[in-house]
Amino acid sequence: SQTIHQWPATLVQPVGSPLSLECTVEGTSNPNLYWYRQAAGRGLQLLFYSVGIGQISSEVPQNLSASRPQDRQFILSSKKLLLSDSGFYLCAWSEAGQGLYSNQPQHFGDGTRLSIL
Amino acid sequence: SQQGEEDPQALSIQEGENATMNCSYKTSINNLQWYRQNSGRGLVHLILIRSNEREKHSGRLRVTLDTSKKSSSLLITASRAADTASYFCATFGRNNDMRFGAGTRLTVKP
Repeated sequence: SQTIHQWPATLVQPVGSPLSLECTVEGTSNPNLYWYRQAAGRGLQLLFYSVGIGQISSEVPQNLSASRPQDRQFILSSKKLLLSDSGFYLCAWSEAGQGLYSNQPQHFGDGTRLSIL
Repeated sequence: SQQGEEDPQALSIQEGENATMNCSYKTSINNLQWYRQNSGRGLVHLILIRSNEREKHSGRLRVTLDTSKKSSSLLITASRAADTASYFCATFGRNNDMRFGAGTRLTVKP
């Protein structure tokens, strides 16, 4: 069966520090991968998605970047964190399919709660 | 308002009652999906309903879709305290767009 691992679960970082959040998927190949941010009590904002190794699309201009060095590994990074980067970050995968976002169910990790001080 | 908006924003019911949540959207869709999120956790996929379908069932869950009104509803029958969570709809549009709504926070009191 497929599993998705996301770590760390919580992170407290000072303003201006770098960031690296990692997400890995097991049990499937060539998945679509997604990074979302969720503000408290709100819906999800899609930050990045990837349909293959080295293929990253950004949905919103921001202080963050994403990379996909391996088929089932998706990394969210920042060189210098801002206070506004605080939030709950979720990684997800879906089977590849028709359409930009594959139109398939998405499977989420347990998220990383990032607090910037 | 944004694509995939749920209402009500919050719903509180007694165990055993039915809970109905609604989702409205603006553009044409390929499918609409409902997700559940327990506090502080990731989202869990519940049901996918395609644009040519009108109703789907999964256990105590019933989802309807009315493309003429651009709306969907999620009904949870015989609710349990363990159903307490936030519920989100997500629309996958024909214009290659995808949107998650802000969610409905459901509280089921024992």
